[in-house]
Amino acid sequence: GDSVTQMEGPVTLSEEAFLTINCTYTATGYPSLFWYVQYPGEGLQLLLKATKADDKGSNKGFEATYRKETTSFHLEKGSVQVSDSAVYFCALSISGGYQKVTFGTGTKLQVIP
Amino acid sequence: GAVVSQHPSRVICKSGTSVKIECRSLDFQATTMFWYRQFPKQSLMLMATSNEGSKATYEQGVEKDKFLINHASLTLSTLTVTSAHPEDSSFYICSAPPTLDSRGEKLFFGSGTQLSVL
Repeated sequence: GDSVTQMEGPVTLSEEAFLTINCTYTATGYPSLFWYVQYPGEGLQLLLKATKADDKGSNKGFEATYRKETTSFHLEKGSVQVSDSAVYFCALSISGGYQKVTFGTGTKLQVIP
Repeated sequence: GAVVSQHPSRVICKSGTSVKIECRSLDFQATTMFWYRQFPKQSLMLMATSNEGSKATYEQGVEKDKFLINHASLTLSTLTVTSAHPEDSSFYICSAPPTLDSRGEKLFFGSGTQLSVL
């Protein structure tokens, strides 16, 4: 079946450090890939997405590139801020008329001043 | 943007009791609501899909008699964990699409409920 594997946390970084959260996937079809973010006390929010190979999703300084050859969708940010502290979920969805999103385990990021 | 309000955020209960979790769509109508749960160090797993006015659809391995879902209106879906046991302790979260979107891009999530069964 479809699955998403992402690096375990928590990840603790100093402000302005470079961030990478690894994500790899297995899927039977051609998935769309997502990163969701959950800030403390809030619901998950879509951070960015990519719908086909070599697409780059970006938002709020975060980027992730859909790499079909390595089945990866790593999340990166050049300079993190304290406000980026949250849990980040990698996810995929196979189109086909039924909304089924497969999530990774989530990676908690803590950014310290 | 669209908001899904989920309550309670945290509940502790005794084994054998039932717990109800509510999810409300605050500024849109949700004909469909998805219910997920997450055990420690595991992924968010889809449990069931609730549809307003009809029976919920459960994923394989999820007991429909244990996890009762009611979607009586376009803005409210409830999940009741009946006769809860410690193994039901988990993080439960709902989500709703305001519009049909087969790629899951426009899902709006509640803030989740951490259930602890003693």
